[in-house]
Amino acid sequence: AQTVTQSQPEMSVQEAETVTLSCTYDTSENNYYLFWYKQPPSRQMILVIRQEAYKQQNATENRFSVNFQKAAKSFSLKISDSQLGDTAMYFCALPTSGGSNYKLTFGKGTLLTVNP
Amino acid sequence: KAGVTQTPRYLIKTRGQQVTLSCSPISGHRSVSWYQQTPGQGLQFLFEYFSETQRNKGNFPGRFSGRQFSNSRSEMNVSTLELGDSALYLCASSWDRGNQYFGPGTRLTVT
Repeated sequence: AQTVTQSQPEMSVQEAETVTLSCTYDTSENNYYLFWYKQPPSRQMILVIRQEAYKQQNATENRFSVNFQKAAKSFSLKISDSQLGDTAMYFCALPTSGGSNYKLTFGKGTLLTVNP
Repeated sequence: KAGVTQTPRYLIKTRGQQVTLSCSPISGHRSVSWYQQTPGQGLQFLFEYFSETQRNKGNFPGRFSGRQFSNSRSEMNVSTLELGDSALYLCASSWDRGNQYFGPGTRLTVT
């Protein structure tokens, strides 16, 4: 069974600083994607970034980047120049792929608070 | 393109009643998935529909059901509501098992 673990229930960071959120996972698949989603207090789940496991290059989207370590099954999210609007729950997610069992498996989430 | 929409946004029901939630996916998306989010259990997969067929179902009792229409809009139904069904129900659409885009959710409160 696939599992996703986020070991940091809560984190805080000062505005303009950098913060890294951790995620580890377990899967028996070789080709897969990984996602980070953001859920602000408004509750709308927003896709932040996606990483393909077959790509060695870490994905980057503006201030958001990942550190993907396939062998270690680690997938951390780095937020640079943190902004107040980054305050949200962040979820790491792993989809199954192929077959009839497609779904996203989510970690428990990390509540990130950006302080002014 | 318009995003995923869900109606209603808030719902209060009494134990034993049934409820129907609606989800309209992004135009062109044929896959619709439903998730339940609670503080205790986190995000749990309910089911996925594609071209009006259920492709996958999570580990939920038979009181939870769904369907998808020819225009890809989807509904989920919960019968004989229990207090534990109080949750945020999220719908997500994708073209076909690619990036999933979520709606704002329906907050269901069972009293």
